[in-house]
Amino acid sequence: GDSVTQMEGPVTLSEEAFLTINCTYTATGYPSLFWYVQYPGEGLQLLLKATKADDKGSNKGFEATYRKETTSFHLEKGSVQVSDSAVYFCALSTGNQFYFGTGTSLTVIP
Amino acid sequence: DSGVTQTPKHLITATGQRVTLRCSPRSGDLSVYWYQQSLDQGLQFLIQYYNGEERAKGNILERFSAQQFPDLHSELNLSSLELGDSALYFCASSVGGSGYGYTFGSGTRLTVV
Repeated sequence: GDSVTQMEGPVTLSEEAFLTINCTYTATGYPSLFWYVQYPGEGLQLLLKATKADDKGSNKGFEATYRKETTSFHLEKGSVQVSDSAVYFCALSTGNQFYFGTGTSLTVIP
Repeated sequence: DSGVTQTPKHLITATGQRVTLRCSPRSGDLSVYWYQQSLDQGLQFLIQYYNGEERAKGNILERFSAQQFPDLHSELNLSSLELGDSALYFCASSVGGSGYGYTFGSGTRLTVV
């Protein structure tokens, strides 16, 4: 069935370091792909999305490219800040159902 | 403010009790989804309603039930509560199907003692 696999955490980085959180998916058809972020004590917020192959989603310095050939949607940011500390969820949608990854906790230290 | 309103924010109750969680979707959204988030299980999809009708069911226990009312707000009823039901319960809404992405509420933290 459809599913999302994202890298295990937790991830700890120093401020201004480069971030990559890996996400791969399994799906029939042509899913839409999403990254959500959950800050401490809050709900999930949509960070970025891509709806077709080779699309690049971007927001707040984060980017992810929909790679059909590698079934991946890795999240990247060139220079993380302390305020980026949160849990990041990769997700896919097949139109009827949403599938979330297990979440990757990121802590950025000054 | 995401536009999805969940009440109450926090709830503490005893085992065996019943509680009702409420969700008002973002204006214009017809679909409501309920999720349970616990430390050991991650984010679990419970159930979806679309315009008052049940559309999809996930890992929802028989002790749990939900409904969506004509004004599109939804309620999740949890009964015969157990310690293991302690979790964050999120509601999300979308315009139609999941392809549009979801808007999440800030959740209800349920503690069963």
